[in-house]
Amino acid sequence: AQSVAQPEDQVNVAEGNPLTVKCTYSVSGNPYLFWYVQYPNRGLQFLLKYITGDNLVKGSYGFEAEFNKSQTSFHLKKPSALVSDSALYFCAVRDTGRSSASKIIFGSGTRLSIRP
Amino acid sequence: KAGVTQTPRYLIKTRGQQVTLSCSPISGHRSVSWYQQTPGQGLQFLFEYFSETQRNKGNFPGRFSGRQFSNSRSEMNVSTLELGDSALYLCASSLEAGGRNQPQHFGDGTRLSIL
Repeated sequence: AQSVAQPEDQVNVAEGNPLTVKCTYSVSGNPYLFWYVQYPNRGLQFLLKYITGDNLVKGSYGFEAEFNKSQTSFHLKKPSALVSDSALYFCAVRDTGRSSASKIIFGSGTRLSIRP
Repeated sequence: KAGVTQTPRYLIKTRGQQVTLSCSPISGHRSVSWYQQTPGQGLQFLFEYFSETQRNKGNFPGRFSGRQFSNSRSEMNVSTLELGDSALYLCASSLEAGGRNQPQHFGDGTRLSIL
């Protein structure tokens, strides 16, 4: 069965410092991995995805994520945090199998708070 | 291109009533998924429709149902509302069936409050 874990409910970072939001996953085959961000009173907004190829994926707003197959992780990173990055972040996984039963599974979310 | 549109944005109902929520996907998207988001349970998958057929279903009681029309618009219905149904209901659309390696595009949700 697929699963995804975001071990930190909240991450606090000072503006200008690098940030990391952690995500680990479990799938039976190879994964498709996604990061989304949610601002208050809004839906989720796609940031980036890993399908195959280069382990370092670049996305919107200066975010990037590193796929690590041996550690089954897909951590979200940004070199220099902005106050406007404060939001709720979700990691999601879907296996690459062709079964129609394959669903996208979302993590529990990590609230990122950037202090000025 | 217009995004995913959900109506209404806010809804207040009482226990025992029923409710219908609507979702218009991005033009050209044929897959529509519904999610329930609550502070305690996080984001939970309800069901997914593609070409008017339900492709996947989450672990929700039969009071939760949905359908998709030929123009890909989707509706979700909840009957015999309970206090625990209070949540933000999100709709997401994607290009392909199951949106396997395509990202999902979310609407801003319908916030349902049960009194």
